[in-house]
Amino acid sequence: DAGVTQSPTHLIKTRGQQVTLRCSPKSGHDTVSWYQQALGQGPQFIFQYYEEEERQRGNFPDRFSGHQFPNYSSELNVNALLLGDSALYLCASSQGQGNLYSYGYTFGSGTRLTVV
Amino acid sequence: GQNIDQPTEMTATEGAIVQINCTYQTSGFNGLFWYQQHAGEAPTFLSYNVLDGLEEKGRFSSFLSRSKGYSYLLLKELQMKDSASYLCAVGSSASKIIFGSGTRLSIRP
Repeated sequence: DAGVTQSPTHLIKTRGQQVTLRCSPKSGHDTVSWYQQALGQGPQFIFQYYEEEERQRGNFPDRFSGHQFPNYSSELNVNALLLGDSALYLCASSQGQGNLYSYGYTFGSGTRLTVV
Repeated sequence: GQNIDQPTEMTATEGAIVQINCTYQTSGFNGLFWYQQHAGEAPTFLSYNVLDGLEEKGRFSSFLSRSKGYSYLLLKELQMKDSASYLCAVGSSASKIIFGSGTRLSIRP
């Protein structure tokens, strides 16, 4: 039973470029949440997708956008990259809405984005 | 607003006991989580408390007081592999988890 898979694992981009990160949720999960984790900090909530719609959003600018596909996989897009966007981007999956009990989220290993 | 506070760093000795405290103020509450995160890796689930009291799971225990907005994670019989960051997190809505900044725990021999 595959867990949460993210690709790519590492990425280097130049300021001003655009990037797309991908996530496949754990089997049986239909909700995908994205987090940004700067070095030495806790994960910061970006947004959450369920039934192909953005359901909740954190305090991130519109440069951050996403998508969820019918197979529950998801993409995170960041436009006009800034140096401050350098971070570990984590995808977490869960089942349904209102169902955090027992195990909360299952996290992927993340994508390390470096903006130069 | 949302605020989750925990110490930035702690040091403990192998074989000893350590308690990591967490206080929170969130606009909603749907349970409190503790996650462990080794450097460069994804967070992994440790515990979940939704009712007041102590939950014990092997060497790890977690306590919650909802009226005080307070939780702690207790680690017993510390091992070198317990060196990691420990993240306190609150389910602030039905399906959203908010994380604290984490406590970096170092274990010395």
